[in-house]
Amino acid sequence: SYVLTQPPSVSVAPGQTARITCGGNNIGSKSVHWYQQKPGQAPVLVVYDDSDRPSGIPERFSGSNSGNTATLTISRVEAGDEADYYCQVWDSSSDHLVVFGGGTKLTVL
Amino acid sequence: QVTLRESGPALVKPTQTLTLTCTFSGFSLSTSGMCVSWVRQPPGKALEWLALIDWDDDKYYSTSLKTRLTISKDTSKNQVVLTMTNMDPVDTATYYCARVTTGTTYFDYWGQGTLVTVSS
Repeated sequence: SYVLTQPPSVSVAPGQTARITCGGNNIGSKSVHWYQQKPGQAPVLVVYDDSDRPSGIPERFSGSNSGNTATLTISRVEAGDEADYYCQVWDSSSDHLVVFGGGTKLTVL
Repeated sequence: QVTLRESGPALVKPTQTLTLTCTFSGFSLSTSGMCVSWVRQPPGKALEWLALIDWDDDKYYSTSLKTRLTISKDTSKNQVVLTMTNMDPVDTATYYCARVTTGTTYFDYWGQGTLVTVSS
């Protein structure tokens, strides 16, 4: 089945920009979705269809997707952004319909 | 207002069968395009997709767990049930149900999750 690869951790100082990548074979041809998960909580959708934001998600969260890499960008990082982030795709060509990345721990220094 | 809530045993013994129920409100699983899925997360580990059922009763399973999983729905009760056979300690995890709405491929609403521990 399709594999998504994320870096285990990313660290950034407050006010700086965090970039979290999600690698996959020709991922640019798929729609990529991103979830934020804080300790003890369910995941929350922060970006869908590569670059769209659900209502209530700050404009600081943005996404892009091209080639073999999708990227979640968090601008002007705040302490409250510290969380685990997961990418996800829908692989309709496979019996294994939904694929998650391994997750990235964002640490705000 | 869309809500989902998982229920089931907090503790199961190895080799037993786990039955989890997702009770939802604010939408109908008889609406074209609607889906409900199960996702789990072992302590300290990543999300893992398990199964999905759609409005038309089509079912999809994780290829690695397919032989152990069954997903079903009761539209009149607004419930989706997941059974997992032959439970093992490595199946200890928080189990979430989540919705996929018509025309999309992402989970827009999640339940709060239920922790299932497998231990004798």
